[in-house]
Amino acid sequence: NAGVMQNPRHLVRRRGQEARLRCSPMKGHSHVYWYRQLPEEGLKFMVYLQKENIIDESGMPKERFSAEFPKEGPSILRIQQVVRGDSAAYFCASSPQIGNQPQHFGDGTRLSIL
Amino acid sequence: QQQVKQSPQSLIVQKGGISIINCAYENTAFDYFPWYQQFPGKGPALLIAIRPDVSEKKEGRFTISFNKSAKQFSLHIMDSQPGDSATYFCAAEAGSGNTGKLIFGQGTTLQVKP
Repeated sequence: NAGVMQNPRHLVRRRGQEARLRCSPMKGHSHVYWYRQLPEEGLKFMVYLQKENIIDESGMPKERFSAEFPKEGPSILRIQQVVRGDSAAYFCASSPQIGNQPQHFGDGTRLSIL
Repeated sequence: QQQVKQSPQSLIVQKGGISIINCAYENTAFDYFPWYQQFPGKGPALLIAIRPDVSEKKEGRFTISFNKSAKQFSLHIMDSQPGDSATYFCAAEAGSGNTGKLIFGQGTTLQVKP
């Protein structure tokens, strides 16, 4: 009974490069959420997706960040032209339904920008 | 209005004691309140959750107390153990918003001394 799988666990990029973070939700879960955690802070909502649809991207920066959840395959969070301020832990969560449902988190991707 | 305020920032408790973490919110649309436990290098794990139609929920050594009129809720950890040492986050969701977006508190780092 695999949980939410995120990879890579650690990612190092130089300023200006692209970062791709992947998330496979729990089996049977079709709702995916991305959160960002800065050091010594709580998690901040970024985006909520269902299969092939972005439902709520109110927490996503307007530029350089994008997310997708294709019909087949994992959800992808893409950060283009990374900057030092993008260094953080990025967590993915999934749930079987929407609305007051437990969200199960992966162990995150720690992104470091050199 | 979208904030959840959590206190204290850090807490030290002796083994066998009671750990109490408090959260407060403003948005009356919030109707689901989960608590998460996070160990270093891991993702948040759901501990216990409550809806505002009940004032208390207990699961093992963990109890949530909910005060709807004061817009406050708290986590009590009875008989605290060194293995409970972790960071705890409260969160809130407005289910009627239908996005599943969780708003997290800033976190409480708990240390249980043997």
